[in-house]
Amino acid sequence: DTAVSQTPKYLVTQMGNDKSIKCEQNLGHDTMYWYKQDSKKFLKIMFSYNNKELIINETVPNRFSPKSPDKAHLNLHINSLELGDSAVYFCASSQDVRSYNEQFFGPGTRLTVL
Amino acid sequence: EDQVTQSPEALRLQEGESSSLNCSYTVSGLRGLFWYRQDPGKGPEFLFTLYSAGEEKEKERLKATLTKKESFLHITAPKPEDSATYLCAVQASSNYQLIWGAGTKLIIKP
Repeated sequence: DTAVSQTPKYLVTQMGNDKSIKCEQNLGHDTMYWYKQDSKKFLKIMFSYNNKELIINETVPNRFSPKSPDKAHLNLHINSLELGDSAVYFCASSQDVRSYNEQFFGPGTRLTVL
Repeated sequence: EDQVTQSPEALRLQEGESSSLNCSYTVSGLRGLFWYRQDPGKGPEFLFTLYSAGEEKEKERLKATLTKKESFLHITAPKPEDSATYLCAVQASSNYQLIWGAGTKLIIKP
């Protein structure tokens, strides 16, 4: 039974297009995250939601907009895609952002912008 | 500025050859230090959380230790299936987000 799932696993698109990545967790966690992992494997937090409320919003272009319809889902919509957006995007969840909780990661979405 | 540095970037060992990975951190108040393992094409998988200097955690061939400035992940008699990238992250008391290191890619040759 998959704990954190993401779709799609691969996404290849042209510059300027708009795309979405979906994430769902079935762990009953309150907090969900979006990370970007670049070609050097460096993980960088983009957003975090706690119970559908945005709590972390790092310096990310406005073209990226997270949406959390409920606490089990956190989707990422990207407008006007650019070459530099190519990366692997990971969704993660944890029980609560305020305690020392492990984060559970999804399998990642490899985005390639041509 | 809060920062996490991992070394070496890559480590190649023979099966059974023990070694250690290093995670150095500078953070304004440590809430917790986390070790994760990442296999190619997959998301990171949680290994350990350490909260205070002197603490140690063990899991199979892995042992994580923590001082006030760094953490070590010791791997004893590794097997090829231990090959992965090992990531270290810290959670500062000033905010809740994790600050990640760039990882150490560990390759164990049979």
